[in-house]
Amino acid sequence: QITLKESGPTLVKPTQTLTLTCSFSGFSLTTSEVSVGWIRQPPGKALEWLALIYWDDDKRYSPSLKSRLTITKDTSKNQVVLTMTNMDPVDTARYYCVHNRGIGAAGIMGFWGQGTLVTVSS
Amino acid sequence: QSVLTQPPSVSGAPGQRVTISCTGSSSNIGAGFDVQWYQQLPGKAPKLLIYYNINRPSGVPDRFSGSKSGTSASLAITGLQAEDEADYYCQSYDSSLSGMVFGGGTKLTVL
Repeated sequence: QITLKESGPTLVKPTQTLTLTCSFSGFSLTTSEVSVGWIRQPPGKALEWLALIYWDDDKRYSPSLKSRLTITKDTSKNQVVLTMTNMDPVDTARYYCVHNRGIGAAGIMGFWGQGTLVTVSS
Repeated sequence: QSVLTQPPSVSGAPGQRVTISCTGSSSNIGAGFDVQWYQQLPGKAPKLLIYYNINRPSGVPDRFSGSKSGTSASLAITGLQAEDEADYYCQSYDSSLSGMVFGGGTKLTVL
């Protein structure tokens, strides 16, 4: 059974760096064509893809946020970490961790964490 | 402004059939990239409903079906039930952005 759970601060100040951790079970991030990604959803708004890290450590980022994002993995701990720099109130959103199977355009986000709400405010 | 365009809302009475459209462009759906659909119940995380345009994960009722043609895709729900009331999102891949893209979401109301 695949499960994912996000953790991190619920409140960050503008200009600070956000660090979110995705802890997962039921699969290995060393398995071919498996990746873990991050999606966010501002309150009342649509989903937005942020980043993806593959089993072979290949990384993909949303072009609009690439300069602010870093995604890393620790396969021994079954964790993926996303950092986002220079946080702004518009970054207030629920951040979801997802299990993705398939490469590039063939990827399927079949399992989602419950999400963690991050508020950016001074 | 989402890369994929969906109607903000649709509605139907119990038992009826509704469809939700998802319109893209030549760099995503029109380029042949597959479309996925996700259902987001109120207060919950999204759930995969349709993958690779027409396929349903195990456990998803066959009342839900997907199709794709040209630069658009559609989700059809037959035999509407109250529990279908949710937000629905389409998703594909965009070659110009080199990443996944979502629609703006469609709120389904069961009257």
